[in-house]
Amino acid sequence: GAVVSQHPSRVICKSGTSVKIECRSLDFQATTMFWYRQFPKQSLMLMATSNEGSKATYEQGVEKDKFLINHASLTLSTLTVTSAHPEDSSFYICSAKEGQHHYGYTFGSGTRLTVV
Amino acid sequence: DAKTTQPPSMDCAEGRAANLPCNHSTISGNEYVYWYRQIHSQGPQYIIHGLKNNETNEMASLIITEDRKSSTLILPHATLRDTAVYYCTSNDYKLSFGAGTTVTVRA
Repeated sequence: GAVVSQHPSRVICKSGTSVKIECRSLDFQATTMFWYRQFPKQSLMLMATSNEGSKATYEQGVEKDKFLINHASLTLSTLTVTSAHPEDSSFYICSAKEGQHHYGYTFGSGTRLTVV
Repeated sequence: DAKTTQPPSMDCAEGRAANLPCNHSTISGNEYVYWYRQIHSQGPQYIIHGLKNNETNEMASLIITEDRKSSTLILPHATLRDTAVYYCTSNDYKLSFGAGTTVTVRA
């Protein structure tokens, strides 16, 4: 089945620094990937849609200059949290869709970001 | 905005069937209904999807009403490892999630 690898699984960074999260489709090509954020006891909130070779589409209220998305290849999308603050601490999850419908959307295992 | 509504929580006895309802009265005719589950601190896991017909796989069964306004996910023999948040959603291009149903399987 389709596999999406997300790295790192956990990261702690200092306020004001930037953190990059990688999302890779391991055995399929994904022209579109999605980035979500999840706060404790809440549902997944879609942040942006990452399109290979073009600019990402951000959801309303998500700062594109703060959450930089790059989708340079058909198997890799990255999310960079710039100038991180404690309120950016959250669980970040990516997903991608294989061409066939069979497995639907495959999600990465998530990245726990803690900003101190 | 999510197009689906689900009960916030449900308890189920181990070994019994768990029936999880979902209302999706506003999805369009070509949108599939997808079910995912999320175990604590993990990414969501695909369970099953369907368009019109009932579907069954090794994990669950999906019953979709004829008018497609609602569906039921059936876990035939719930185990403790099925304790998770279950999300019903549709595949309009951006896969959005509602609050889901927190299912607790009790021994």
